[in-house]
Amino acid sequence: SYELTQPPSVSVSPGQTASITCSGDKLGDKYACWYQQKPGQSPVLVIYQGTKRPSGIPERFSGSNSGNTATLTISGTQAMDEAGYYCQAWDSSTVVFGGGTKLTVL
Amino acid sequence: EVQLVESGGGLVQPGRSLRLSCAASGFTFEDSAMHWVRQAPGKGLEWVSGIRWNSGNMGYAGSVKGRFTISRDNAKNSLYLQMNSLSADDTAFYYCAKSSTSSWGGGLDYWGQGTLVTVSS
Repeated sequence: SYELTQPPSVSVSPGQTASITCSGDKLGDKYACWYQQKPGQSPVLVIYQGTKRPSGIPERFSGSNSGNTATLTISGTQAMDEAGYYCQAWDSSTVVFGGGTKLTVL
Repeated sequence: EVQLVESGGGLVQPGRSLRLSCAASGFTFEDSAMHWVRQAPGKGLEWVSGIRWNSGNMGYAGSVKGRFTISRDNAKNSLYLQMNSLSADDTAFYYCAKSSTSSWGGGLDYWGQGTLVTVSS
Protein backbone atom coordinates (compact mmCIF):
# COMPACT_ATOMS: atom_id res chain seq x y z
CA SER A 1 0.00 0.00 0.00
CA TYR A 2 1.08 3.56 -0.64
CA GLU A 3 2.73 5.42 2.24
CA LEU A 4 3.41 9.07 2.98
CA THR A 5 6.15 9.93 5.47
CA GLN A 6 6.33 13.14 7.51
CA PRO A 7 8.70 14.22 10.28
CA PRO A 8 6.94 13.92 13.66
CA SER A 9 7.85 17.43 14.71
CA VAL A 10 9.21 20.72 13.38
CA SER A 11 10.12 23.81 15.40
CA VAL A 12 10.32 27.40 14.17
CA SER A 13 10.80 30.83 15.70
CA PRO A 14 8.07 33.45 15.24
CA GLY A 15 8.53 35.38 11.98
CA GLN A 16 10.75 32.70 10.44
CA THR A 17 9.95 30.20 7.68
CA ALA A 18 8.74 26.72 8.50
CA SER A 19 9.03 23.86 6.04
CA ILE A 20 7.24 20.56 6.50
CA THR A 21 8.03 17.72 4.13
CA CYS A 22 6.01 14.74 2.96
CA SER A 23 7.69 11.87 1.12
CA GLY A 24 6.14 9.19 -1.04
CA ASP A 25 7.01 7.19 -4.13
CA LYS A 26 6.57 9.46 -7.19
CA LEU A 27 4.51 11.84 -5.08
CA GLY A 28 5.25 14.59 -7.57
CA ASP A 29 3.09 12.76 -10.10
CA LYS A 30 0.10 13.07 -7.79
CA TYR A 31 -1.86 15.99 -6.38
CA ALA A 32 -0.84 16.62 -2.77
CA CYS A 33 -3.01 18.33 -0.19
CA TRP A 34 -2.20 19.70 3.24
CA TYR A 35 -4.43 20.04 6.29
CA GLN A 36 -3.99 22.01 9.48
CA GLN A 37 -5.50 20.70 12.70
CA LYS A 38 -5.45 22.58 15.98
CA PRO A 39 -6.16 20.79 19.28
CA GLY A 40 -9.83 19.99 19.73
CA GLN A 41 -10.72 21.15 16.21
CA SER A 42 -11.48 19.52 12.88
CA PRO A 43 -8.88 19.57 10.10
CA VAL A 44 -8.79 22.52 7.67
CA LEU A 45 -7.59 22.26 4.08
CA VAL A 46 -4.74 24.75 3.54
CA ILE A 47 -3.23 23.54 0.24
CA TYR A 48 -4.74 21.48 -2.57
CA GLN A 49 -3.45 20.26 -5.94
CA GLY A 50 0.04 20.67 -4.58
CA THR A 51 0.26 24.46 -4.73
CA LYS A 52 -3.19 26.07 -4.51
CA ARG A 53 -4.66 27.85 -1.50
CA PRO A 54 -8.39 27.70 -0.72
CA SER A 55 -10.09 31.03 -0.19
CA GLY A 56 -9.52 32.36 3.29
CA ILE A 57 -6.13 30.70 3.76
CA PRO A 58 -3.40 33.30 4.37
CA GLU A 59 -0.82 33.89 1.64
CA ARG A 60 1.98 32.85 3.99
CA PHE A 61 0.96 29.24 3.33
CA SER A 62 2.41 27.77 0.14
CA GLY A 63 3.07 24.34 -1.29
CA SER A 64 5.37 22.62 -3.74
CA ASN A 65 5.51 19.09 -5.06
CA SER A 66 8.24 17.47 -7.12
CA GLY A 67 9.94 14.12 -7.38
CA ASN A 68 9.18 12.16 -4.24
CA THR A 69 8.57 15.11 -1.93
CA ALA A 70 5.81 17.60 -1.27
CA THR A 71 6.60 20.56 0.95
CA LEU A 72 4.36 22.89 2.94
CA THR A 73 6.03 26.23 3.58
CA ILE A 74 4.80 28.80 6.08
CA SER A 75 6.48 32.18 5.65
CA GLY A 76 6.54 34.61 8.55
CA THR A 77 5.22 31.95 10.90
CA GLN A 78 2.85 33.19 13.59
CA ALA A 79 1.97 31.73 16.96
CA MET A 80 -1.49 30.89 15.61
CA ASP A 81 0.15 28.52 13.10
CA GLU A 82 1.16 26.13 15.86
CA ALA A 83 -0.80 23.00 14.99
CA GLY A 84 -0.63 19.53 13.51
CA TYR A 85 -0.18 19.33 9.74
CA TYR A 86 -1.08 16.36 7.56
CA CYS A 87 -0.26 15.72 3.94
CA GLN A 88 -2.63 13.70 1.78
CA ALA A 89 -2.59 12.16 -1.67
CA TRP A 90 -4.62 9.75 -3.76
CA ASP A 91 -3.43 6.26 -4.61
CA SER A 92 -5.78 4.80 -7.20
CA SER A 93 -9.21 5.14 -5.56
CA THR A 94 -8.03 5.46 -1.98
CA VAL A 95 -7.04 8.45 0.11
CA VAL A 96 -3.72 8.29 1.94
CA PHE A 97 -2.67 10.55 4.82
CA GLY A 98 0.79 11.11 6.16
CA GLY A 99 1.41 10.47 9.84
CA GLY A 100 1.28 14.17 10.70
CA THR A 101 3.79 16.78 11.85
CA LYS A 102 3.49 18.81 15.03
CA LEU A 103 4.62 22.38 14.30
CA THR A 104 5.85 24.22 17.37
CA VAL A 105 6.36 27.98 17.25
CA LEU A 106 8.80 29.06 19.95
CA GLU B 1 -22.32 28.33 4.71
CA VAL B 2 -21.28 24.69 4.34
CA GLN B 3 -22.26 22.57 7.33
CA LEU B 4 -21.62 18.91 7.98
CA VAL B 5 -23.15 17.48 11.15
CA GLU B 6 -22.31 13.94 12.19
CA SER B 7 -24.44 11.86 14.54
CA GLY B 8 -24.80 8.29 15.72
CA GLY B 9 -21.61 7.86 17.70
CA GLY B 10 -21.47 6.43 21.17
CA LEU B 11 -20.35 3.49 23.28
CA VAL B 12 -20.76 0.07 21.70
CA GLN B 13 -19.64 -3.42 22.69
CA PRO B 14 -17.08 -5.33 20.62
CA GLY B 15 -18.68 -7.28 17.80
CA ARG B 16 -21.73 -5.03 17.65
CA SER B 17 -22.83 -2.60 14.94
CA LEU B 18 -23.31 1.15 14.69
CA ARG B 19 -24.57 3.47 11.97
CA LEU B 20 -23.21 6.98 11.58
CA SER B 21 -25.02 9.75 9.74
CA CYS B 22 -23.86 13.07 8.33
CA ALA B 23 -26.36 15.81 7.50
CA ALA B 24 -25.06 18.23 4.86
CA SER B 25 -26.21 21.74 4.04
CA GLY B 26 -24.98 24.92 2.38
CA PHE B 27 -23.85 23.31 -0.89
CA THR B 28 -25.21 21.12 -3.68
CA PHE B 29 -24.72 17.74 -2.04
CA GLU B 30 -25.10 15.70 -5.22
CA ASP B 31 -22.21 17.60 -6.82
CA SER B 32 -19.65 16.31 -4.32
CA ALA B 33 -17.97 13.04 -3.49
CA MET B 34 -18.03 12.45 0.27
CA HIS B 35 -15.73 10.71 2.71
CA TRP B 36 -15.41 9.39 6.22
CA VAL B 37 -12.10 9.97 8.02
CA ARG B 38 -11.33 8.82 11.56
CA GLN B 39 -8.86 9.80 14.22
CA ALA B 40 -8.10 7.73 17.29
CA PRO B 41 -7.58 9.92 20.38
CA GLY B 42 -4.11 11.45 20.22
CA LYS B 43 -3.34 9.83 16.85
CA GLY B 44 -3.26 10.87 13.19
CA LEU B 45 -5.88 10.98 10.49
CA GLU B 46 -6.97 7.74 8.81
CA TRP B 47 -9.17 7.67 5.73
CA VAL B 48 -12.01 5.18 6.16
CA SER B 49 -14.19 5.34 3.07
CA GLY B 50 -15.36 7.49 0.18
CA ILE B 51 -18.30 7.56 -2.22
CA ARG B 52 -18.73 9.31 -5.54
CA TRP B 53 -21.54 11.77 -6.19
CA ASN B 54 -23.92 9.21 -7.69
CA SER B 55 -22.97 6.24 -5.48
CA GLY B 56 -21.44 4.72 -8.61
CA ASN B 57 -18.19 3.88 -6.88
CA MET B 58 -17.10 3.44 -3.27
CA GLY B 59 -13.66 3.00 -1.76
CA TYR B 60 -12.60 1.54 1.57
CA ALA B 61 -9.47 1.39 3.66
CA GLY B 62 -8.12 -2.12 4.04
CA SER B 63 -8.72 -1.99 7.79
CA VAL B 64 -12.51 -1.69 7.33
CA LYS B 65 -13.17 -3.42 4.02
CA GLY B 66 -15.85 -6.06 4.41
CA ARG B 67 -17.06 -4.62 7.73
CA PHE B 68 -18.06 -1.04 6.91
CA THR B 69 -20.45 0.16 4.21
CA ILE B 70 -20.71 3.74 3.00
CA SER B 71 -23.87 5.07 1.40
CA ARG B 72 -25.58 8.35 0.60
CA ASP B 73 -29.05 9.70 -0.05
CA ASN B 74 -28.84 12.74 -2.31
CA ALA B 75 -32.53 13.48 -1.82
CA LYS B 76 -31.92 13.82 1.92
CA ASN B 77 -28.47 15.47 1.65
CA SER B 78 -27.14 12.73 3.90
CA LEU B 79 -24.12 10.46 4.13
CA TYR B 80 -24.02 7.24 6.13
CA LEU B 81 -21.50 4.73 7.45
CA GLN B 82 -22.72 1.31 8.56
CA MET B 83 -20.11 -0.24 10.84
CA ASN B 84 -20.30 -3.94 11.67
CA SER B 85 -18.11 -6.29 13.72
CA LEU B 86 -16.63 -3.40 15.65
CA SER B 87 -13.45 -3.84 17.67
CA ALA B 88 -11.44 -1.67 20.04
CA ASP B 89 -9.24 -0.64 17.10
CA ASP B 90 -12.24 1.19 15.64
CA THR B 91 -12.43 3.56 18.61
CA ALA B 92 -11.99 7.05 17.18
CA PHE B 93 -13.56 10.35 16.25
CA TYR B 94 -15.28 9.89 12.90
CA TYR B 95 -15.37 12.90 10.59
CA CYS B 96 -17.60 13.44 7.59
CA ALA B 97 -15.72 15.36 4.89
CA LYS B 98 -16.76 16.94 1.60
CA SER B 99 -14.63 16.50 -1.49
CA SER B 100 -13.84 19.42 -3.75
CA THR B 101 -14.82 17.23 -6.73
CA SER B 102 -17.69 14.92 -7.64
CA SER B 103 -15.35 11.98 -8.11
CA TRP B 104 -11.93 10.89 -6.90
CA GLY B 105 -8.83 13.06 -6.76
CA GLY B 106 -9.97 16.16 -4.94
CA GLY B 107 -9.04 17.59 -1.57
CA LEU B 108 -11.35 17.43 1.42
CA ASP B 109 -12.43 21.05 1.64
CA TYR B 110 -14.97 20.93 4.46
CA TRP B 111 -15.13 18.75 7.56
CA GLY B 112 -17.74 18.12 10.22
CA GLN B 113 -17.04 18.41 13.94
CA GLY B 114 -16.76 14.66 14.33
CA THR B 115 -18.61 12.04 16.35
CA LEU B 116 -16.88 9.78 18.86
CA VAL B 117 -17.22 6.03 18.59
CA THR B 118 -15.98 4.05 21.58
CA VAL B 119 -15.82 0.28 21.33
CA SER B 120 -15.55 -1.29 24.76
CA SER B 121 -17.17 -3.93 26.91
